[in-house]
Amino acid sequence: DAGVIQSPRHEVTEMGQEVTLRCKPISGHNSLFWYRQTMMRGLELLIYFNNNVPIDDSGMPEDRFSAKMPNASFSTLKIQPSEPRDSAVYFCASSPSGQGKEKLFFGSGTQLSVL
Amino acid sequence: GDSVTQMEGPMTLSEEAFLTINCTYTATGYPSLFWYVQYPGEGLQLLLKATKADDKGSNKGFEATYRKETTSFHLEKGSVQVSDSAVYFCAFLSGNTPLVFGKGTRLSVIA
Repeated sequence: DAGVIQSPRHEVTEMGQEVTLRCKPISGHNSLFWYRQTMMRGLELLIYFNNNVPIDDSGMPEDRFSAKMPNASFSTLKIQPSEPRDSAVYFCASSPSGQGKEKLFFGSGTQLSVL
Repeated sequence: GDSVTQMEGPMTLSEEAFLTINCTYTATGYPSLFWYVQYPGEGLQLLLKATKADDKGSNKGFEATYRKETTSFHLEKGSVQVSDSAVYFCAFLSGNTPLVFGKGTRLSVIA
C-alpha cells in the first residue's frame, strides 16, 4: 500500500498566485481530512469529507480557501489568492469508517511558502 | 468545548533519561485517547491508544494510562533514545466528531 500521497512536497509561490495542493487517500478509506500545521497554531483541521461529501469546513480560514473531492481517490485544496500568512505545512489524512476511524493515516505534507 | 491540553515544549533530554509528557482533556462522555508521533519531515502516525478508563496503551517502549478521575493520558518512556526525537501529539475521539489534537510537544534527545 502506497499510503496517502500528497503533491507537491514543496511549493514556493508569490503572493496573489493560486495554489493547488493534491491528495490521493488510501484506497478503501471513506474519510479524508485536510490539516494545516504552523509553529504558532499547531495542527488545525481545515475540512473533512466522508464518502466524498464535505462534512465540516468550519476550520477553513477564509473564502480564499476551497476544497473538493470529486471522487474517492482524489482531493484538492486550493488557495486563491495566496498570502504570506498561508505559509505552512498542509497535511492530508485518510481513515476507514466504523471502528477504524480513529487511526488517521497522514501523507508527508506539502510545505507551502508564499513570498 | 472539547479540547486537549498538553505540556508546552520544546523539551530536551539526554539519552536514557526518563520521559513524561503531560496531557489532559476536556470532553463530554467517555472519549478514546491517543498519542500520535511526527518524525522530522513526515506526517503524524499513531503511537498508542486507550479506549476506556484504566486501559494502558503501549508501543515502542512508550506507555500511557487512561485516568478518568484526573482526565489525563500522560505519555511516559523509561529510557529515551536519540531516535525518539519527534513531535508528540495527544488526541481524543468522542462521538462522531474527528480526532481532536493537542498542539504538540517537540522532544529532542541528545547523545
